Amino acid sequence: EPEVTQTPSHQVTQMGQEVILRCVPISNHLYFYWYRQILGQKVEFLVSFYNNEISEKSEIFDDQFSVERPDGSNFTLKIRSTKLEDSAMYFCASSGADHNEQFFGPGTRLTVL
Amino acid sequence: RKEVEQDPGPFNVPEGATVAFNCTYSNSASQSFFWYRQDCRKEPKLLMSVYSSGNEDGRFTAQLNRASQYISLLIRDSKLSDSATYLCVVTPGGSYIPTFGRGTSLIVHP
Repeated sequence: EPEVTQTPSHQVTQMGQEVILRCVPISNHLYFYWYRQILGQKVEFLVSFYNNEISEKSEIFDDQFSVERPDGSNFTLKIRSTKLEDSAMYFCASSGADHNEQFFGPGTRLTVL
Repeated sequence: RKEVEQDPGPFNVPEGATVAFNCTYSNSASQSFFWYRQDCRKEPKLLMSVYSSGNEDGRFTAQLNRASQYISLLIRDSKLSDSATYLCVVTPGGSYIPTFGRGTSLIVHP
C-alpha cells in the first residue's frame, strides 16, 4: 500500500540553526500539507501546497517557514532560524483530488536546544 | 471559545463495552467533519468522515448534529486495539484548513 514517508525521524538542532524536513508524498497525489503537533497539544495546520505553490497557510506559517517541491517526488519544509518553541512533531500529508482524505506520514520529531 | 472541543478523557472501559465521544465546534459555517485516530507518538489516521445522515463502519458509528454543532463517535464491542486518542476534525466551507480537537483518549482494558 502506498504511504507517505518522512526523513529524518528525529532531528536535533541548536536554536538559530536552519533545518529542512523532508517528505515523499504518495506518488499520484496532488495536494501536500504540513502540520505540527507540540507534545501534548493538538495537531495544527501549517500550510497546503498545490501545483507548485502555496494554496493556504495558517498564522503559524510565518516568514521563518518555507516549503518547496524541488523535484517530482520530494516536498520539504524549511525552518530558517529555529526557536525553542519550534520543538514539535512535524507531519507531512498528501491527498488526491479529495482534499478530505489526507494520508499522513510518520512525522519528524524536531528538538531545538 | 475553542474552535473544536473534546473531552480529553481518558475513557477507561473494559473489552466489549460501548463507548461514545462527543465533539463540539464553534464555526457554524463548518462543512466537513471527520474522526481520526492517533496512536501514541504516531501520525493521525483517518477513521471516518461524518455525514449529515450519519454513517456506520463496522463497530463505529458517527453522527452529526448541525443545529447543536456537535459530532459524535460511537464504538461498539470495544477491542484492546481500539485504545488510542480519537481526534475530531472540522473544516470550514470554502477552505481546506482543518481544525483539530485535542483528542479524547480511550483505554480499553481486558
